[in-house]
Amino acid sequence: DIQMTQSPSSLSASVGDRVTITCRASQSISNYLNWYQQKPGKAPKLLIFAASSFQSGVPSRFSGSGSGTDFTLSISSLQPEDFATYYCQQSYTTPWTFGQGTKVEIK
Amino acid sequence: QVQLQESGPGLVKPSETLSLTCTVSGDSISSGSYYWNWIRQPAGKGLEWIGRIYTSGSTNYNPSLKSRVTMSVDTPKNQFSLKLSSVTAADTAVYYCAREADYYGSGSYSPSFDYWGQGTLVTVSS
Repeated sequence: DIQMTQSPSSLSASVGDRVTITCRASQSISNYLNWYQQKPGKAPKLLIFAASSFQSGVPSRFSGSGSGTDFTLSISSLQPEDFATYYCQQSYTTPWTFGQGTKVEIK
Repeated sequence: QVQLQESGPGLVKPSETLSLTCTVSGDSISSGSYYWNWIRQPAGKGLEWIGRIYTSGSTNYNPSLKSRVTMSVDTPKNQFSLKLSSVTAADTAVYYCAREADYYGSGSYSPSFDYWGQGTLVTVSS
């Protein structure tokens, strides 16, 4: 199985801050990397697919980059509705696997 | 707008079989080239992919659960189902069904979970 490792596991930030989350794959996955946002008690929501492409309706303050084994999700100016847990997921080969999540909390 | 809804018992006894159904509305389950997935999340923990089924009946399961998992699809009812046998407390989790679609970006098609059910909590306890 491909192991996905996110860092940090959690972070505290203020509204307006720029936030960056890192995801590393245990082997090269090209650009087969998706990002999801999950709020408490809710299902995950697809934000970014193919490492850097936006799902419809996702605000432009979110961006994704990377290829191979190293990927990042950035939020340029954190908004109150962005406080959530973020997961990366590789779609290179089954079994699909997720990172352990990064919880973005209010400072 | 596609919607998915999980249903099934919220409490299952140890060693018994967990059975869940996902009902798809807003589109035919057999329209388009989609896989239909099950994903679970223990309380306070991350997401674990259980497996997927295509409308032809073709399946892929997580090797860690493969010996206990069976998935099926009922296209007339627009439903797909999960059975997980010999459950233990470690199988206690919120179970999600999700649609997997190929999204084109950066020169390739990337399978992504674009529609999810709201999730259903299944507790394994005597």
